[in-house]
Amino acid sequence: GQQVMQIPQYQHVQEGEDFTTYCNSSTTLSNIQWYKQRPGGHPVFLIQLVKSGEVKKQKRLTFQFGEAKKNSSLHITATQTTDVGTYFCAAFRSSASKIIFGSGTRLSIRP
Amino acid sequence: GAVVSQHPSRVICKSGTSVKIECRSLDFQATTMFWYRQFPKQSLMLMATSNEGSKATYEQGVEKDKFLINHASLTLSTLTVTSAHPEDSSFYICSAPGGTGINYGYTFGSGTRLTVV
Repeated sequence: GQQVMQIPQYQHVQEGEDFTTYCNSSTTLSNIQWYKQRPGGHPVFLIQLVKSGEVKKQKRLTFQFGEAKKNSSLHITATQTTDVGTYFCAAFRSSASKIIFGSGTRLSIRP
Repeated sequence: GAVVSQHPSRVICKSGTSVKIECRSLDFQATTMFWYRQFPKQSLMLMATSNEGSKATYEQGVEKDKFLINHASLTLSTLTVTSAHPEDSSFYICSAPGGTGINYGYTFGSGTRLTVV
């Protein structure tokens, strides 16, 4: 079935450094969503990408969808302690009307 | 925005007892509710999909007789963990499409941390 691979599993950075997490699929995706889960919290929807090559920005966060719609990335510029959490990508599986989550990337930050 | 209220947030129960978890959509109608479980530092694993007025669809490997799902109304879905055992201890979380279809992402409940002793 459809799987979404996400790397890295963990990332520990100094505050102010950049951070990137990547998602890859073996099949073409109709869209991809990104979520953030703070420690002890629940996932919160960040954004959805639909178009091939699409790039969207939310302040220090930049989201990209690959030209082949098989990969996506989330880049955070100049991380802050409030960025701590686990970032998940999620792909919509239209055949079953459900979303499949990537394994997540856990971001921790040294002040 | 769309809100899904999930209760209880934490529950401790004895082995062999049952626990019911409720998820309510507060300002929208959730015809579909997804139920996940999440082990520490791991991703969300879809357990089942509930649809209002029909039987839930369970993912492979999930025991439907152990994890009873009911979706009796457009605003309420429940998950009952029956005859709970310590290995059922986990974080259970529900989610529903937050707006008109998938374009608005999925809205998650706040989760229920179940500990079976």
